[in-house]
Amino acid sequence: GENVEQHPSTLSVQEGDSAVIKCTYSDSASNYFPWYKQELGKGPQLIIDIRSNVGEKKDQRIAVTLNKTAKHFSLHITETQPEDSAVYFCAVGGTSYDKVIFGPGTSLSVIP
Amino acid sequence: EAGVAQSPRYKIIEKRQSVAFWCNPISGHATLYWYQQILGQGPKLLIQFQNNGVVDDSQLPKDRFSAERLKGVDSTLKIQPAKLEDSAVYLCASSLDFYSNQPQHFGDGTRLSIL
Repeated sequence: GENVEQHPSTLSVQEGDSAVIKCTYSDSASNYFPWYKQELGKGPQLIIDIRSNVGEKKDQRIAVTLNKTAKHFSLHITETQPEDSAVYFCAVGGTSYDKVIFGPGTSLSVIP
Repeated sequence: EAGVAQSPRYKIIEKRQSVAFWCNPISGHATLYWYQQILGQGPKLLIQFQNNGVVDDSQLPKDRFSAERLKGVDSTLKIQPAKLEDSAVYLCASSLDFYSNQPQHFGDGTRLSIL
């Protein structure tokens, strides 16, 4: 089955700096790659997603890049703010009834 | 639009007791998911419904877990009997359908503690 790895597991950045989180996957047939943000005591919230026919997608300070050949994709957050502090999960899907497999998560801390 | 509603928010029980969780998805969403999220890990899919039919329950421990989605709207997840390793947050999510990688919308979960 699909195996999703995520790095780093924890990340601390100064406010205003950029943060990058990378995910790798194993099933070359996967074609849907969402990113979720989870704040303490809340459920995961979709922040951006990308499909395999696109190499990059941007939404204000958030961008995702996809390299299907290498089977990895990355989340880029620019001009980080304290409210960006949360756990971020990548997920991989598209091969079976919208089922997605989540990565283990990255805890991002933005230091004011 | 109203989000995914879950109750209760917290539940504490002793091992071998039973417990049930309830989920009301976003109106019009045909697909409903139950996930288990152990502390420090990503959500793991337990069961997926399309309307009131089961699409995937391959990761559901069927000797103790059961779920139903009567009338294709609300859903309940039950654990009987509970084990210590069931301590986790149980998340419900919904999406429009499963045909085209529709985004999943999550509720805030039920935090279950087993004593």
